[in-house]
Amino acid sequence: QKEVERDPGPLSVPEGAIVSLNCTYSNSAFQYFMWYRQYSRKGPELLMYTYSSGNKEDGRFTAQVDKSSKYISLFIRDSQPSDSATYLCAMEEGGSEKLVFGKGTKLTVNP
Amino acid sequence: GAVVSQHPSRVICKSGTSVKIECRSLDFQATTMFWYRQFPKQSLMLMATSNEGSKATYEQGVEKDKFLINHASLTLSTLTVTSAHPEDSSFYICSARRTANTGELFFGEGSRLTVL
Repeated sequence: QKEVERDPGPLSVPEGAIVSLNCTYSNSAFQYFMWYRQYSRKGPELLMYTYSSGNKEDGRFTAQVDKSSKYISLFIRDSQPSDSATYLCAMEEGGSEKLVFGKGTKLTVNP
Repeated sequence: GAVVSQHPSRVICKSGTSVKIECRSLDFQATTMFWYRQFPKQSLMLMATSNEGSKATYEQGVEKDKFLINHASLTLSTLTVTSAHPEDSSFYICSARRTANTGELFFGEGSRLTVL
């Protein structure tokens, strides 16, 4: 079993839709959870960073972590065509400094 | 915010030649930088951890002699792909932390290597 799994993609949604992206993990030692956005042929850009169970909101983005279920989510409200990108979840054990990435979900928001 | 810069963004080389990719932290010092490789439609795979002033730590399966890493200063790490072959063609991305163990990692723009 891979350490980090993401829900299958790709996703195609109309502008204004609510998008839900999810990852599950098996390593209970993961303490830090991140979501990155990667545009085509570019490096990943940090969107959300959290280290505790619960929700964290930043503008149209909400990151949710459920450590008991080993499940994290990213919600995008009022999605825009500019949100079209690949979204990667990433996790890290405390003190390891190494990130483990999920495969990434390609999102297309249609105008 | 923190910026990590990579150069070149795109390089094409002949098989058997060596290619050097630079990774710079522009507004902060980074004692540790990370090098990733990404194949099309795949996730980022950590290749090695670059440590300033000491040897890099390579992940299992990554050839140390093929992927030479030098972290000469607190703002610069280089990855040299030696004797490149077509199967080395990939997207190479570096990253760095502003401070240790914060979990916030900033990535460079990536370097696309094509080996003919």
